[in-house]
Amino acid sequence: DAKTTQPPSMDCAEGRAANLPCNHSTISGNEYVYWYRQIHSQGPQYIIHGLKNNETNEMASLIITEDRKSSTLILPHATLRDTAVYYCIVPAGGYNKLIFGAGTRLAVHP
Amino acid sequence: NAGVMQNPRHLVRRRGQEARLRCSPMKGHSHVYWYRQLPEEGLKFMVYLQKENIIDESGMPKERFSAEFPKEGPSILRIQQVVRGDSAAYFCASSTDRDTGELFFGEGSRLTVL
Repeated sequence: DAKTTQPPSMDCAEGRAANLPCNHSTISGNEYVYWYRQIHSQGPQYIIHGLKNNETNEMASLIITEDRKSSTLILPHATLRDTAVYYCIVPAGGYNKLIFGAGTRLAVHP
Repeated sequence: NAGVMQNPRHLVRRRGQEARLRCSPMKGHSHVYWYRQLPEEGLKFMVYLQKENIIDESGMPKERFSAEFPKEGPSILRIQQVVRGDSAAYFCASSTDRDTGELFFGEGSRLTVL
């Protein structure tokens, strides 16, 4: 998998936007960027993925830079329930063997 | 529309016993993945299976661990002669095909070895 780098932790006030960055400078042209999160003790949850264009769904938005070397996951109005570890993953190898790194531990506070 | 079902949710075993963890993928999914999460650590890939085939077992410990996904029934992760270091949460995920990175995870099975 292409190596990804994320800050170990971030804080966000409830109701504000949470912007979680990820660097993936070794990504190749046909590799997607996936974001997952793990709320304490639960199974990981898929959030969003993208290749080149920005993506939005009911959970979040994904902004990918033009050179594709980095991306930002945006939770537009963070709630306390968004407190979790967020993982940025670039799977490779022809199939979806996801390798989870340390992720970013997001704490949303009142 | 049930999600990925894992059972048991909690399992306690004594050292030397066997542990069997089951995973029923989402309906229509034929690809299953097992991950292990040791206490206070990250998720580690163990094995990727399709029906009746092990595709990638590069993350499986060389001894005592085995996995299967038979033509009928759930996927099974089997741990023989458990040791205290096997205490962990074991997560199963499923997907529709091999090329999507969108995996659906179960709630995990938590194994405690006394």
